[in-house]
Amino acid sequence: GAVVSQHPSRVICKSGTSVKIECRSLDFQATTMFWYRQFPKKSLMLMATSNEGSKATYEQGVEKDKFLINHASLTLSTLTVTSAHPEDSSFYICSAFALVSGSEQYFGPGTRLTVT
Amino acid sequence: AQSVTQPDIHITVSEGASLELRCNYSYGATPYLFWYVQSPGQGLQLLLKYFSGDTLVQGIKGFEAEFKRSQSSFNLRKPSVHWSDAAEYFCAVGARTNAGKSTFGDGTTLTVKP
Repeated sequence: GAVVSQHPSRVICKSGTSVKIECRSLDFQATTMFWYRQFPKKSLMLMATSNEGSKATYEQGVEKDKFLINHASLTLSTLTVTSAHPEDSSFYICSAFALVSGSEQYFGPGTRLTVT
Repeated sequence: AQSVTQPDIHITVSEGASLELRCNYSYGATPYLFWYVQSPGQGLQLLLKYFSGDTLVQGIKGFEAEFKRSQSSFNLRKPSVHWSDAAEYFCAVGARTNAGKSTFGDGTTLTVKP
């Protein structure tokens, strides 16, 4: 099956700094990538939809200037958490979607962000 | 708007017993339906999906699910649970008109007793 990687798997940063998370589709070209946030014992909350070569579409309540998304190629999307605060600590998961997959998303393993 | 309800927050079953996890959805037309499993600190793994056709779908790890349009349900079943099945299970509905974008239920935590 299709493989999606995320890097890093875990990151600890200090409050006020920025952190970049990469999401890569390793063996297919993703027309769309999704970024989710998951709180402990909670479901996945869709943050934004990222299409290659265009601006990301953010869900209501998600700050565009805080969570910068760049989808530079059909295999790479990045999420940058700017000026991170402790409340941004969470598990961030990306997924990749390709038309050939028949509306199936392939999920990355997630990135655990801890802001101290 | 589409939505998913998983009525059971936590289910405990004995190893070897049968399992059914409930999922109800709200969507204006026939949706795409998915079940995912997540182990602690891991991403999501697709168990099975329904797009069209046979309403009883088979998935990996011995799981199956049945789409019942009249009940707006897509319950997940397994005849005999293994200890390794202990995990978080998510049901999701995807819109056919917005390919790829899915809405997830809140999840059901499965505990397996020895």
